[in-house]
Amino acid sequence: EVQLVESGGGLVQPGRSLKLSCVASGFTFSNYGMNWIRQAPGKGLEWVAYISSGSSYIYYAETVKGRFTISRDNAKNTLYLQMTSLRSEDTALYYCARSSWEGYFDYWGQGVMVTVSS
Amino acid sequence: DIQMTQSPSVLSASVGDRVTLNCKASQNINKYLNWYQQKLGEAPKLLIYNTNNLQTGIPSRFSGSGSGTDYTLTISSLQPEDVATYFCFQHNSWPLTFGSGTKLEIK
Repeated sequence: EVQLVESGGGLVQPGRSLKLSCVASGFTFSNYGMNWIRQAPGKGLEWVAYISSGSSYIYYAETVKGRFTISRDNAKNTLYLQMTSLRSEDTALYYCARSSWEGYFDYWGQGVMVTVSS
Repeated sequence: DIQMTQSPSVLSASVGDRVTLNCKASQNINKYLNWYQQKLGEAPKLLIYNTNNLQTGIPSRFSGSGSGTDYTLTISSLQPEDVATYFCFQHNSWPLTFGSGTKLEIK
């Protein structure tokens, strides 16, 4: 069974940093691209970042480019999102999701909450 | 960026009704259109991928169609458990984008 479990969220002050993790199981992690997607409270979904299976290709939404860094450790079956210079508008539930071979998200984690507030 | 516009934003229908949700892209997305269902307090779940392919385990009352810029999700006979918000999503080009969602309610 595919499982994605996020962690690392919490309350952080504006301008500070936070690092999210997503541990994968139930599939060969190193064969799949991975994503971070977020959802502000009561709002819709926003794709944040993508990393290919071997980390060769990385893409970001304009809203986080230059502040967030996606990375992965295939030996540890873990996806990361390093978030810096956090803003109140980054407050959201952050999901990790697996990319299928064709590019859509086929499995999602349950999400981890990030709150940016003083 | 490709903008995804969903309509209506809220849809109220009766159990057993046939319901249609719409999604319009700001440019041709070559059928790289997917539908997700999100129930309250849960993560989104994939229903339909690449316009008209039913994800494993999804009831056959769900179907998708469309091409170019216009796509639809149809529920042939609405069930109480279908109450949720439905998002369309394009993976034709970066950045990947979602529609703003259609909230489906039971009358």
